[in-house]
Amino acid sequence: AQSVSQHNHHVILSEAASLELGCNYSYGGTVNLFWYVQYPGQHLQLLLKYFSGDPLVKGIKGFEAEFIKSKFSFNLRKPSVQWSDTAEYFCAVNAYGSGTYKYIFGTGTRLKVLA
Amino acid sequence: GAGVSQSPRYKVAKRGQDVALRCDPISGHVSLFWYQQALGQGPEFLTYFQNEAQLDKSGLPSDRFFAERPEGSVSTLKIQRTQQEDSAVYLCASSGGLSEAFFGQGTRLTVV
Repeated sequence: AQSVSQHNHHVILSEAASLELGCNYSYGGTVNLFWYVQYPGQHLQLLLKYFSGDPLVKGIKGFEAEFIKSKFSFNLRKPSVQWSDTAEYFCAVNAYGSGTYKYIFGTGTRLKVLA
Repeated sequence: GAGVSQSPRYKVAKRGQDVALRCDPISGHVSLFWYQQALGQGPEFLTYFQNEAQLDKSGLPSDRFFAERPEGSVSTLKIQRTQQEDSAVYLCASSGGLSEAFFGQGTRLTVV
């Protein structure tokens, strides 16, 4: 069965620090990969997505992620975080090629950025 | 509307009561998903519709959970004889083809 692992459950950073959140998935076929963000009191919003092509994907608010197929990873990065990045981040996988349409989510990483 | 709309936003139910949660997807979106999110966890898949057809209900935790989308737009998730372990946020998402899923605000269900 497909699964998604997020290694860091809670991360605390100071403003301007660099961020990297790990995400690994288990599925051998073709996948679409996503990072969603949930700001306090708000709904899940798409941060960035990878379907095909350049494995380095740029999203909104200065976030980027790199798809490394050999490592089954899709880590999220930001060079310099801001206080407004405080939120919960979810990695998700969708394996269209397997005939299923569902999105499988990781357990999330709660990021707190100190001003 | 512009986004996925869910109602009610909050629901308190007494144990044993039946509840119905509504989802209005983005107009024209073929795919509709229901997820359950417990506190401190990621969204867990419940069921998937393609238009009015329920193609996957593998995530429904018991036969007390039932979902429908009779006309291929609005969907309702019904939980019969609610139990305390049903307390969670129920998320609805819709998608138009091979793209990302757009989520609603969710319904927070508390069973007392």
